[in-house]
Amino acid sequence: QKEVEQNSGPLSVPEGAIASLNCTYSDRVSQSFFWYRQYSGKSPELIMSIYSNGDKEDGRFTAQLNKASQYVSLLIRDSQPSDSATYLCAVNLASKIIFGSGTRLSIRP
Amino acid sequence: GAVVSQHPSRVICKSGTSVKIECRSLDFQATTMFWYRQFPKKSLMLMATSNEGSKATYEQGVEKDKFLINHASLTLSTLTVTSAHPEDSSFYICSARPPSNLEQETQYFGPGTRLLVL
Repeated sequence: QKEVEQNSGPLSVPEGAIASLNCTYSDRVSQSFFWYRQYSGKSPELIMSIYSNGDKEDGRFTAQLNKASQYVSLLIRDSQPSDSATYLCAVNLASKIIFGSGTRLSIRP
Repeated sequence: GAVVSQHPSRVICKSGTSVKIECRSLDFQATTMFWYRQFPKKSLMLMATSNEGSKATYEQGVEKDKFLINHASLTLSTLTVTSAHPEDSSFYICSARPPSNLEQETQYFGPGTRLLVL
């Protein structure tokens, strides 16, 4: 089992709709969880970090964490074409950050 | 967020030569930096953890004699790809962790260096 798993996509969402990205992780001791956005040919950009169970909102982005289910998600409201990118879920593990393989999101006009 | 720079952004070299990539944290001191490699359409793979003033910690399968890491100051880490071969062509990305976020493990990434070995 991979340490961090994501559906590779592509996930196609109409403009203005909610995009939902999911991630599961294998190590129960992980305490820090991150979502990064990566445009093609660019390095990852931190969007959200979450450390406690529940929801954390920042603008159009909401991160959700459920440690019991070892599940973290990212919701993007009012999706824009500029949101089209690969979204990387990342989890801390023994002072290192382990990345999922990423979900490619495409927002169609 | 914190600013991390990398130089060069892009490099083309001949097989057998060595290439040095610099990673700098511009507005904070980073005792720990990380080096990743990313192949096309793949995720980031951690290569090594660079520790200021001590030896780097390499991930399993990464040759420490081929990928030399030096973290000589709190704001600079370098990765040298020695005797580069075409299979080393990749996108190399560094990241740095601000001390204030030590417990939360937040990392900020440099813009990456695209290496092409001919």
